[in-house]
Amino acid sequence: AQSVAQPEDQVNVAEGNPLTVKCTYSVSGNPYLFWYVQYPNRGLQFLLKYITGDNLVKGSYGFEAEFNKSQTSFHLKKPSALVSDSALYFCAVREISSGSARQLTFGSGTQLTVLP
Amino acid sequence: EAGVTQSPTHLIKTRGQQATLRCSPISGHTSVYWYQQALGLGLQFLLWYDEGEERNRGNFPPRFSGRQFPNYSSELNVNALELEDSALYLCASSFRRTGGIETQYFGPGTRLLVL
Repeated sequence: AQSVAQPEDQVNVAEGNPLTVKCTYSVSGNPYLFWYVQYPNRGLQFLLKYITGDNLVKGSYGFEAEFNKSQTSFHLKKPSALVSDSALYFCAVREISSGSARQLTFGSGTQLTVLP
Repeated sequence: EAGVTQSPTHLIKTRGQQATLRCSPISGHTSVYWYQQALGLGLQFLLWYDEGEERNRGNFPPRFSGRQFPNYSSELNVNALELEDSALYLCASSFRRTGGIETQYFGPGTRLLVL
């Protein structure tokens, strides 16, 4: 079975500082990994995904994520945080060889607050 | 290009009633996924439809059901509503690629409140 852990329920960072939102995963084989963001009373917006290749993935709004196979991690990063980045962030995984199980398994979410 | 749309945005029902939620995927997408986001339970997979057929379902009772229409839009039905069914129901769509990876794009959700 596949699973995702987001060890921090809440991350606070000052505007202009770098931010990191942590994610670790567990799958039997190789993973597809995703980051989504959810603003209040909204659906999820896709940020970026890792399929294969470069371990550093660049996505929307200046976000990037680093895939680390040995640590089974896929942390989300941004060099300089904005107040408007404040939202709920979800990491998700799907195992490559999951056959008919194409749904995503999500972490519990991390609330990011960027302080002005 | 229009994104995934869901209706209604809010739905209030009483225990024991039935709820019907609707989803229109992005044009060209053939797969529709339903997820439940309940307070304290995170995002949980409900159902996956592709090309009009149910392909997979999550660990939910049979009173959660749905269908996909020929135009790829989808309906989620919840029968015999219980208080714990109160949640945000999210629909996502994707273009199914054989042997490839698709990205799921989400709608804004339907917030169901069961009284």
